[in-house]
Amino acid sequence: SYELTQPPSVSVSPGQTARITCSGDALPKQYAYWYQQKPGQAPVLVIYKDSERPSGIPERFSGSSSGTTVTLTISGVQAEDEADYYCQSADSSGTYGVFGGGTKLTVL
Amino acid sequence: QLQLQESGPGLVKPSETLSLTCTVSGGSISSSSYYWGWIRQPPGKGLEWIGSIYYSGSTYYNPSLKSRVTISVDTSKNQFSLKLSSVTAADTAVYYCARHGYDILTGLTWDFDYWGQGTLVTVSS
Repeated sequence: SYELTQPPSVSVSPGQTARITCSGDALPKQYAYWYQQKPGQAPVLVIYKDSERPSGIPERFSGSSSGTTVTLTISGVQAEDEADYYCQSADSSGTYGVFGGGTKLTVL
Repeated sequence: QLQLQESGPGLVKPSETLSLTCTVSGGSISSSSYYWGWIRQPPGKGLEWIGSIYYSGSTYYNPSLKSRVTISVDTSKNQFSLKLSSVTAADTAVYYCARHGYDILTGLTWDFDYWGQGTLVTVSS
């Protein structure tokens, strides 16, 4: 089965830049999506189609893609950004959705 | 504003069938631009896509669950439903319903932009 790989945790101090990576063999062919999930809440879409930001998502959230790796970048991290972040994409056929294992972002 | 709401039993016995319904309000489930999906999250663990359905009834399922999953749609009620058979404790999770996109030229897009609040289903005797 197809898998997306994320680091389990990332830690940054307030005001610094956090980068969360996600790797998968089909990422050169399929778009990636990123979700933020805070405890007890449903996930929120923060990046779609690799690098597009939905309305209402702060500009400090950005996404990029290079080969089999996509990256979520949070510039000027704030305490409120502490959450779990999940990448999501599809297999090469585009018909099987898959989530990465999630990355816990800790703001020190 | 589009809203999704999951409903169904919070406790299911092992070997029985889990049944949930998602009611969509503030928009039509019959839109040609969207698929409607189910995602689950075991306590303390990550997200898992279960499957998705189009208003026409076309479905896609996670291969790892396909033999036990049925997703159906009732456009007259603006609802879609999930049935998961032969459940075990491993199926204990928060179950979410959510909307994602469909492009007639390029197919499914996986932007789950609207989510329900989620409902915890526990499998236990």
